[in-house]
Formats: sequence, structure tokens, C-alpha cells
Amino acid sequence: QKEVEQDPGPLSVPEGAIVSLNCTYSNSAFQYFMWYRQYSRKGPELLMYTYSSGNKEDGRFTAQVDKSSKYISLFIRDSQPSDSATYLCAMRGATGANSKLTFGKGITLSVRP
Amino acid sequence: DAGVTQSPTHLIKTRGQQVTLRCSPKSGHDTVSWYQQALGQGPQFIFQYYEEEERQRGNFPDRFSGHQFPNYSSELNVNALLLGDSALYLCASSPRDSPYEQYFGPGTRLTVT
Repeated sequence: QKEVEQDPGPLSVPEGAIVSLNCTYSNSAFQYFMWYRQYSRKGPELLMYTYSSGNKEDGRFTAQVDKSSKYISLFIRDSQPSDSATYLCAMRGATGANSKLTFGKGITLSVRP
Repeated sequence: DAGVTQSPTHLIKTRGQQVTLRCSPKSGHDTVSWYQQALGQGPQFIFQYYEEEERQRGNFPDRFSGHQFPNYSSELNVNALLLGDSALYLCASSPRDSPYEQYFGPGTRLTVT
């Protein structure tokens, strides 16, 4: 089992839809949770960063972390064609070998006008 | 404010050759991490440099080595290239006061023939 599993894609939604992207993980030492957006042939761009459990909102984006279930989500409201990209979840622990950033495989989102 | 920059953008090498990739971190950042991203996969951690020393290493062979300079810029060297080394190589930098936030450069796409 991989340390970080991300829902397989691709995902296609109409403009204006609410998008839910999810990841599960197995390492209970993970404490920092991130979502990155990556456009084709570009480097990942940090979207959201959350420490421990809880919710965090930034504009149309909401990140949720449930450490008890080892489950994280990213919600995109009022999705736009410009949101079309690959979304990567990433996480890490605080110290030692767990402090390296571990990524999910990524899911490709397409928002149809 | 310039973000993370990487050079070259693209590179084509032959099996058995050696390659050096370069990275300049975002202003104010002193920690540099390197990742390998194969097509359709999430980035895989190679190693991290801080204060000119390798602080942590992922599951990559010794053919992968690096260096950090006093101005915090970094190099990734790969010896005895294999076809499987073809990937996007990403550099990420982070600030000392928030080491858990990593900002990525655009990457160097390496093709080994």
C-alpha cells in the first residue's frame, strides 16, 4: 500500500460545479497537509497548506483534514475553466524520515465551459 | 520577486552520460529540495539541502548527488544515466521560518535516449 493514495481520474465537470478532490494516507506521523496545482509541463504551485485536522478556506478553495480517518479533501466552488489542471495532495511529518514531502499521484481536472 | 528558477528547461542526454541541473531558490529561502516526477506520477523526493549539507535523502541511488552553494543555489548531478531517469526534475525552496511550505520551480525536463 502506498503511503498516499489519491482518487484516480481524470475528472470532468461543467463550469460552476463544486469539485471534491480526495486523498487518503497511511502514515499517522503526517501532520502537514498541502494541495498543489500543476498545469501541463509546469512545476506544482502551492494552493493550500493545513496543519493537523480542521478546515481552511481561501476564496473558492476549502481544504479539509480529518486525521482520525487519515483523509484529506480539497473543495473548489464555482469551478472555472482556468481551474483545469492536475491537483496533487502532499503531506509530511514533523521530524526525521517522515519530514520529507510525500505526494499523491495527482488527479487531472477538466472544467468544461 | 523572482520565484524559484531552474536551468536548463529541457535537456537530451544519452545513456551513460552525466548531467547537471541547476536551481536558484526564491528570495529569502535557504532550503532546497529536489524531486523527480515521471510522466503521470506525483513528484518523488530525491534529497534536501540546508546550510550546504544534504539533510535528508529519499530512495534514490548514489548516482544522484547534489550540492548547495553559499548563496543557497543548488545543483543536482546524475551519473551513468539510464533510460528510466527520463523525467521532470523539480527544485523546491522553503524559508527557514516555515520549512513546511515548499515553492516549486518550473522544472527541467530530462530525456535520456
